Amino acid sequence: DAGVTQSPTHLIKTRGQQVTLRCSPKSGHDTVSWYQQALGQGPQFIFQYYEEEERQRGNFPDRFSGHQFPNYSSELNVNALLLGDSALYLCASSPTPNRGQGGYTFGSGTRLTVV
Amino acid sequence: GEDVEQSLFLSVREGDSSVINCTYTDSSSTYLYWYKQEPGAGLQLLTYIFSNMDMKQDQRLTVLLNKKDKHLSLRIADTQTGDSAIYFCADYNNAGNMLTFGGGTRLMVKP
Repeated sequence: DAGVTQSPTHLIKTRGQQVTLRCSPKSGHDTVSWYQQALGQGPQFIFQYYEEEERQRGNFPDRFSGHQFPNYSSELNVNALLLGDSALYLCASSPTPNRGQGGYTFGSGTRLTVV
Repeated sequence: GEDVEQSLFLSVREGDSSVINCTYTDSSSTYLYWYKQEPGAGLQLLTYIFSNMDMKQDQRLTVLLNKKDKHLSLRIADTQTGDSAIYFCADYNNAGNMLTFGGGTRLMVKP
């Protein structure tokens, strides 16, 4: 049973460019959440998608946007990249309803470097 | 807003017990989690505890929760070099359906 898969694993972008990160949730999960983990820090919640809509959003600017497809996979888009966007981006999937019972499964992340 | 705090670093000798501490502010947390992150990897769920429990044991791992003081701890018995990693505590808020993480505690296990 495949867990959460993310692509690409690494990428390097230039300031001002746009980037798209992809996530396929664990089989049986229909909710996808995205987290940003800057170097030396804990993950910070970006947003969550369920039924192809953004349901919750953390304290991130509108440059961060997302999408969920009918097969529950998701994309994270970041426009006008800044050096400070360099981080590990983690995708987590969960079933609905979750109720927090250990239902979050994390992918290995995409390491984004902005130069 | 919600906040989760952890000490930055812990060093122990192989075979000793490790205790990693965490405090949180959200009084409506329903579950609290411990995750492990090895270099270059994602997050691995170690264990979790429901907020109406005060202790949970899972093999070498013991979680203690003091809800009154909003204090969570993770005890690793017979710590091994393979336990060297960063450990994150996180709380789950049912209303937000999201996790709030601490900054992580780096555990170093010396042979």
